[in-house]
Amino acid sequence: AQSVSQHNHHVILSEAASLELGCNYSYGGTVNLFWYVQYPGQHLQLLLKYFSGDPLVKGIKGFEAEFIKSKFSFNLRKPSVQWSDTAEYFCAVTTAMDDYKLSFGAGTTVTVRA
Amino acid sequence: EPEVTQTPSHQVTQMGQEVILRCVPISNHLYFYWYRQILGQKVEFLVSFYNNEISEKSEIFDDQFSVERPDGSNFTLKIRSTKLEDSAMYFCASFPGADRLAKNIQYFGAGTRLSVL
Repeated sequence: AQSVSQHNHHVILSEAASLELGCNYSYGGTVNLFWYVQYPGQHLQLLLKYFSGDPLVKGIKGFEAEFIKSKFSFNLRKPSVQWSDTAEYFCAVTTAMDDYKLSFGAGTTVTVRA
Repeated sequence: EPEVTQTPSHQVTQMGQEVILRCVPISNHLYFYWYRQILGQKVEFLVSFYNNEISEKSEIFDDQFSVERPDGSNFTLKIRSTKLEDSAMYFCASFPGADRLAKNIQYFGAGTRLSVL
């Protein structure tokens, strides 16, 4: 399995603040990159994905992520968070070498204070 | 939107007992997965299943674990003799498979929390 690192374990911020969650992976070849979100008591939902093309990808709920190949990074951003963004966020990677199974980061818990 | 459903949402069992976790994948999907997340740790891949057989399994998926698709709709994970360290959230996922070598998106169920006492 690929190694995926998420830099922050728990982030606490106020509504309207900007959010950036870091994600780095270890594989040097072609990767598919994902951010999943898990709201309290709910299933994992896909926020956004990158396969190829424009390295800046836009997802649902105002989230975006930028793939920087030279830095092996895929950081998630949102310019202005809402209380409803309180959730756990997982970065994940698939590669052809790993038969396309998902390798997840440890997750970042985001708490947005109203 | 179609969903992956998992039952039960919470399963409590005694150590040494057998448990079966159930999943109903999205109906036209071809690939199925089980992942688990021990409290405070990352989501880990357990096994993938395609064409009625295991296509890949992790080192976690030892002889105590088995998967089955008994009736074309359910996809089950069986733990034959549970251990304390099997306590975790278990997630089922399914994947369309129309273009498996790229653009794969897995859809996840809400998970089953397994508590082994």
